[in-house]
Amino acid sequence: TQLLEQSPQFLSIQEGENLTVYCNSSSVFSSLQWYRQEPGEGPVLLVTVVTGGEVKKLKRLTFQFGDARKDSSLHITAAQPGDTGLYLCAGIKAAGNKLTFGGGTRVLVKP
Amino acid sequence: KAGVTQTPRYLIKTRGQQVTLSCSPISGHRSVSWYQQTPGQGLQFLFEYFSETQRNKGNFPGRFSGRQFSNSRSEMNVSTLELGDSALYLCASSSEAVREKLFFGSGTQLSVL
Repeated sequence: TQLLEQSPQFLSIQEGENLTVYCNSSSVFSSLQWYRQEPGEGPVLLVTVVTGGEVKKLKRLTFQFGDARKDSSLHITAAQPGDTGLYLCAGIKAAGNKLTFGGGTRVLVKP
Repeated sequence: KAGVTQTPRYLIKTRGQQVTLSCSPISGHRSVSWYQQTPGQGLQFLFEYFSETQRNKGNFPGRFSGRQFSNSRSEMNVSTLELGDSALYLCASSSEAVREKLFFGSGTQLSVL
């Protein structure tokens, strides 16, 4: 069982549609990160959220950290084919500790 | 600034052999972490090195080892390879000022036959 559960595992949508990916845990994290990984490459950090209830926007991407700091969501508005990739959440329990990754959500945006 | 460089990119080995993977961090980064990525288990932490010392370790058997050199370059070694060791091995570096901000390399894809 993963400490961080991501859902759904796979998402296929048409260009222009919206999508939401969830990252849930029963544990509290001091901060949570989201990465995107494209085939043949390593993950690239998109955002770090550190405050319960925090909402961060990055162009068409909106990231939210739950009030209790146990869950997070990533919402993409008007998805584009360039958003295709594996989205990973990763939690940090305390400063300086190792990252724990979720299982990932594979997103396919069809033109 | 050059990114994190991992070599080789692809590797094919047979069961029982050993393998050494290399990682050159971003210039100025002294922390190097290693992760194993498989379709079934996702990304799992192997170990972290800082100033030539192992600072953190994941739950992998002793066949997995690593080291870091004075120039911050790191190597990981897997001995007595098993079929289940087939995976993408990712290295990430970070600065001490922002340890949680990881920069990943493209990985080494290891296939064990």
